[in-house]
Amino acid sequence: AQKVTQAQTEISVVEKEDVTLDCVYETRDTTYYLFWYKQPPSGELVFLIRRNSFDEQNEISGRYSWNFQKSTSSFNFTITASQVVDSAVYFCALTLGGFQKLVFGTGTRLLVSP
Amino acid sequence: KAGVTQTPRYLIKTRGQQVTLSCSPISGHRSVSWYQQTPGQGLQFLFEYFSETQRNKGNFPGRFSGRQFSNSRSEMNVSTLELGDSALYLCASRPNWGQTSGRSAYEQYFGPGTRLTVT
Repeated sequence: AQKVTQAQTEISVVEKEDVTLDCVYETRDTTYYLFWYKQPPSGELVFLIRRNSFDEQNEISGRYSWNFQKSTSSFNFTITASQVVDSAVYFCALTLGGFQKLVFGTGTRLLVSP
Repeated sequence: KAGVTQTPRYLIKTRGQQVTLSCSPISGHRSVSWYQQTPGQGLQFLFEYFSETQRNKGNFPGRFSGRQFSNSRSEMNVSTLELGDSALYLCASRPNWGQTSGRSAYEQYFGPGTRLTVT
């Protein structure tokens, strides 16, 4: 069975600080897909990024960056120079593809104060 | 493109009643999934439909059912509501295999959810 662990329940930072959200996953399959979603107070899950298991290239998108390491089964998410608008719950998720479900972690609540 | 829409956004029902939630996917998407989110259990998969057929089902009792129509719109129904069914119900759609939009068929795009309160 697949499992996603987000050990950080809540993180509080001051604006402009960098913050890293951790995600550790478990699967015996060699093909899988990892995701990060953002859930603001409105409730909608906003897709941020997808990473395929066969592509370990890290990615940067503006202030966001993702570090995927198969050796440690981790897919961490870093926000550089955090802003108040980054305050939300962030979920890491995994799927095996096909019609397999998304397995979510428990989420990390990020609070960015001015 | 318009995003995934869900109606209604909020619902208050009484224990024992039934409820129907609706989801319209992103135009052109044929796959629709449903998830339940509660503080205690987190995000849990209910079922997925593709081309009007249920393709996968989560570990929920038979009181939870769904269907998909030919226009890809989906509904989920919960009968004999229990207090524990109070949750945010999220619907997601994803691109079809072979679409060249630059997105992967495994990327799911979520709607705003329907918050169901059972009293």
